[in-house]
Amino acid sequence: GAVVSQHPSWVICKSGTSVKIECRSLDFQATTMFWYRQFPKQSLMLMATSNEGSKATYEQGVEKDKFLINHASLTLSTLTVTSAHPEDSSFYICSAQARGASTDTQYFGPGTRLTVL
Amino acid sequence: AQKVTQAQTEISVVEKEDVTLDCVYETRDTTYYLFWYKQPPSGELVFLIRRNSFDEQNEISGRYSWNFQKSTSSFNFTITASQVVDSAVYFCALISTNAGKSTFGDGTTLTVKP
Repeated sequence: GAVVSQHPSWVICKSGTSVKIECRSLDFQATTMFWYRQFPKQSLMLMATSNEGSKATYEQGVEKDKFLINHASLTLSTLTVTSAHPEDSSFYICSAQARGASTDTQYFGPGTRLTVL
Repeated sequence: AQKVTQAQTEISVVEKEDVTLDCVYETRDTTYYLFWYKQPPSGELVFLIRRNSFDEQNEISGRYSWNFQKSTSSFNFTITASQVVDSAVYFCALISTNAGKSTFGDGTTLTVKP
């Protein structure tokens, strides 16, 4: 089956620093990638949708200047948390929709656990 | 707007008991997909099933079964003869074919005790 990887799997950083999280589709091309955030014991909340070569579409309430998304190629999307603060500590999960596939065919990455001290 | 409701926050059963996890959804779209995922403590989502809005057939896969009833907007998940390894958080989700966005329920934490 299709595989999506995320790097790093976990990261601890100091408040005020920026952190980049990568999401890669390993054996397929992903025209669309989705970024989710999951706080402890809560559900997954969609943050943004990114299409290769175009600007990401952010959900209401998500600061686009704080969560920079770059979908530079058909196999890579990155999420950069700028000037991270403790309240940004969360589990970030990406999913990828394969090129030509229907919208219901999305593959999830294993997630990245971010802890901001 | 889409909404997925999992009314059961936590369920605790003893091994070998059957357990049903409820899921009720709301959408204005006529075409959509429903999913169930398992999230063990590691955090990685494990895909369990996908069902499109035109297919109301119930499905059984081993100890797992799903009951989709469009009339009540429900997509319930039953585990038969539960095992300790079934302990996890289970999410019901909906994808609208229009927007392709996933909407997740709040999840049900299932604990199966030996």
